[in-house]
Amino acid sequence: DAGVTQSPTHLIKTRGQQVTLRCSPKSGHDTVSWYQQALGQGPQFIFQYYEEEERQRGNFPDRFSGHQFPNYSSELNVNALLLGDSALYLCASNSGISDTQYFGPGTRLTVL
Amino acid sequence: GENVEQHPSTLSVQEGDSAVIKCTYSDSASNYFPWYKQELGKGPQLIIDIRSNVGEKKDQRIAVTLNKTAKHFSLHITETQPEDSAVYFCAASRPNTGGFKTIFGAGTRLFVKA
Repeated sequence: DAGVTQSPTHLIKTRGQQVTLRCSPKSGHDTVSWYQQALGQGPQFIFQYYEEEERQRGNFPDRFSGHQFPNYSSELNVNALLLGDSALYLCASNSGISDTQYFGPGTRLTVL
Repeated sequence: GENVEQHPSTLSVQEGDSAVIKCTYSDSASNYFPWYKQELGKGPQLIIDIRSNVGEKKDQRIAVTLNKTAKHFSLHITETQPEDSAVYFCAASRPNTGGFKTIFGAGTRLFVKA
């Protein structure tokens, strides 16, 4: 039973560029949430997708957007990258009837 | 706004001793409290959770307690082992417009000395 997978593992971008991160949920899960984890901090909620729609959103600017596909996989897009966007981006999934989330290994984004 | 405070930020114990991590939450609508363990270079791993209708839950060497009135919850690890060394996060989750929203604490770095 595959867990949550994310790609790529690491990514280096420069300020002003755009980035797309990808996530495949755990088998049987239909809800995907994205989190940003700065070094030495806890994960910060970005948004949650269910049935291909954004259902919840945290305090992140519109530069952060996402998408969920019919197979429940998801993308996180960040436009106009800032140095402060450097972080570990985590994807978590759950079954729609449960709030128990399982995390992927994350994508380490470095903005230079 | 919603907030979860976690203490201590760093905890060092001798192998075999117990470790306790404490969290407080501000949102009274929170009803689910998971704990995650994060090892270097990995994503958070769910180790135990508790719901608001339960006061205590135990799984082998790990236990969680919840005091809804005081909005406190704690993680207890007994007979610590070097492999317990990691960063531990508490979280509080509440229902929110058809889904849920989870707020994490800042983490506790646990060192278990052999």
